Amino acid sequence: RKEVEQDPGPFNVPEGATVAFNCTYSNSASQSFFWYRQDCRKEPKLLMSVYSSGNEDGRFTAQLNRASQYISLLIRDSKLSDSATYLCVVNGGFKTIFGAGTRLFVKA
Amino acid sequence: ETGVTQSPTHLIKTRGQQVTLRCSSQSGHNTVSWYQQALGQGPQFIFQYYREEENGRGNFPPRFSGLQFPNYSSELNVNALELDDSALYLCASSGGTGGNTGELFFGEGSRLTVL
Repeated sequence: RKEVEQDPGPFNVPEGATVAFNCTYSNSASQSFFWYRQDCRKEPKLLMSVYSSGNEDGRFTAQLNRASQYISLLIRDSKLSDSATYLCVVNGGFKTIFGAGTRLFVKA
Repeated sequence: ETGVTQSPTHLIKTRGQQVTLRCSSQSGHNTVSWYQQALGQGPQFIFQYYREEENGRGNFPPRFSGLQFPNYSSELNVNALELDDSALYLCASSGGTGGNTGELFFGEGSRLTVL
């Protein structure tokens, strides 16, 4: 079993749609959680951290469920510029594990 | 711009050769981690250095080794290159105490092709 698992997609959605990505992790001792965005042939960049209480940044909402070892990302009102790969990231102290990423294509 | 620079940006090697990749961390960051990203995959954690000591390692063989220098820059060395080592190698720097390092700031990567 992979330490961090994501649906690879691709998700093809029209502009304005709401799309949700899920991620599960296997190490119950994991301590911090993130979503990163990676554009084609570019380096990953932090989208947002994920907290147990849930957190929102504009059109983006992240949730963490420690009991189920599950992380989610919700994107509302999708824009063409949201097209990218979204990476779920789990940090267990001295090891940072990335999921394989979920590809999103937003079309006009 | 993250302030993390990597060199070289592209290189081609043949099987069995050795390669050294370099990374300059962002000013004030004392932790550097290295990742291998194959095409269509997420970054795979190789190892992490904090204040010149390796303090975390992923599932990579010993022929992957590294160094961190007093100025917190770092090197990744790969010996006895194999075809499967062809990938984008990413370096990331972060602050903190070497454990939960929070946000990672990535360089643009070194793209290695092994023929």
